[in-house]
Amino acid sequence: AQKITQTQPGMFVQEKEAVTLDCTYDTSDQSYGLFWYKQPSSGEMIFLIYQGSYDEQNATEGRYSLNFQKARKSANLVISASQLGDSAMYFCAMREWRSGTASKLTFGTGTRLQVTL
Amino acid sequence: NAGVMQNPRHLVRRRGQEARLRCSPMKGHSHVYWYRQLPEEGLKFMVYLQKENIIDESGMPKERFSAEFPKEGPSILRIQQVVRGDSAAYFCASSPRARGEKLFFGSGTQLSVL
Repeated sequence: AQKITQTQPGMFVQEKEAVTLDCTYDTSDQSYGLFWYKQPSSGEMIFLIYQGSYDEQNATEGRYSLNFQKARKSANLVISASQLGDSAMYFCAMREWRSGTASKLTFGTGTRLQVTL
Repeated sequence: NAGVMQNPRHLVRRRGQEARLRCSPMKGHSHVYWYRQLPEEGLKFMVYLQKENIIDESGMPKERFSAEFPKEGPSILRIQQVVRGDSAAYFCASSPRARGEKLFFGSGTQLSVL
């Protein structure tokens, strides 16, 4: 079974509008972390935002917020006031902590976001 | 404070040659992860190392691939007798501790096999 599922291969949004990128995850662990990374055409992986499984409040970082719904196992990324520079691939990822030991970061297949004028 | 440094940025090899990819983690980071990204796909985990130890190599192909992280010097991902299917972007990430929240990624090495 896929640990991270991103069902939107591609999304379009107009400049200055908000957009939500979907992510659902699968884990039986109680302790885990959810991440979003941005990969522009230049190729580097840029960390955007992190949500811990025990965090009660949704994470926010500037124009990025994470809509964390634990019961639904979803961790959607919301980008407000989109800018042309937001056009990129966006990856959702999860890291599980079993018995106090960190595991690898597992990535979804990504969503390509295109911001239009 | 320099970030995660990977070199070379681009590497071209002919089939059958060896490829060596280097990764210098951020200062003070002793945990290194290697990932591979095929075109239009997400990153796939390969191996997790701490200084001088391989912690998790569940994503490494059984043959031709090896990784090390010596006490001194960068982490090395080595691919012997490369084939066209090895063409991909290889990313290295580091973290300061096992339970670190965030992995810091390098800019990747694009391997092209002719």
